[in-house]
Amino acid sequence: GAGVSQSPSNKVTEKGKDVELRCDPISGHTALYWYRQRLGQGLEFLIYFQGNSAPDKSGLPSDRFSAERTGESVSTLTIQRTQQEDSAVYLCASSRGRKIETQYFGPGTRLLVL
Amino acid sequence: KQEVTQIPAALSVPEGENLVLNCSFTDSAIYNLQWFRQDPGKGLTSLLLIQSSQREQTSGRLNASLDKSSGRSTLYIAASQPGDSATYLCAVRPRGNNRLAFGKGNQVVVIP
Repeated sequence: GAGVSQSPSNKVTEKGKDVELRCDPISGHTALYWYRQRLGQGLEFLIYFQGNSAPDKSGLPSDRFSAERTGESVSTLTIQRTQQEDSAVYLCASSRGRKIETQYFGPGTRLLVL
Repeated sequence: KQEVTQIPAALSVPEGENLVLNCSFTDSAIYNLQWFRQDPGKGLTSLLLIQSSQREQTSGRLNASLDKSSGRSTLYIAASQPGDSATYLCAVRPRGNNRLAFGKGNQVVVIP
């Protein structure tokens, strides 16, 4: 595809349920990032994947959050036992992997936890 | 920890006026600085990226400057149009770090 795609675009779930969010990066991009944007807040870094290296998980807010990526393709972000404070827009970005490169963002998944 | 601040948080201007958006960051050790645009309910669109060795970048009506030593960047939008209404986000890529550090954005409304 031409850009980063994410699914679902919107997700409403009940507190305590698990959710899985998906990101398809731009083909050939080795770096993939997840960010979270809560209402009225700036974007918060969650996790970074670069090729086959160990991911940088330092931004994950709790052990309820996890993410996987197979090679240089699709990534999934999983939130277990969702809480109301998890409600946010979850944005995925990819880049060609060099630190000077532009990050290209997907449209985001809007998560609402009731 | 890198802190990014954007002032003003929100502004309205009449169509045709030039827009000036300010971004400041606390640590000058950066690889680059990037300006994004975000429309309601949409993702981020990259507007301009300035490498740490550069002083400015231009694209059409947009010009972004970078003064790394003072920790400041300014985004100029010439002859604003209603279609420029959006939130503009500034982000820096700190050295030794994989993440972008974002400001909270400048919410702009251009009045026809």
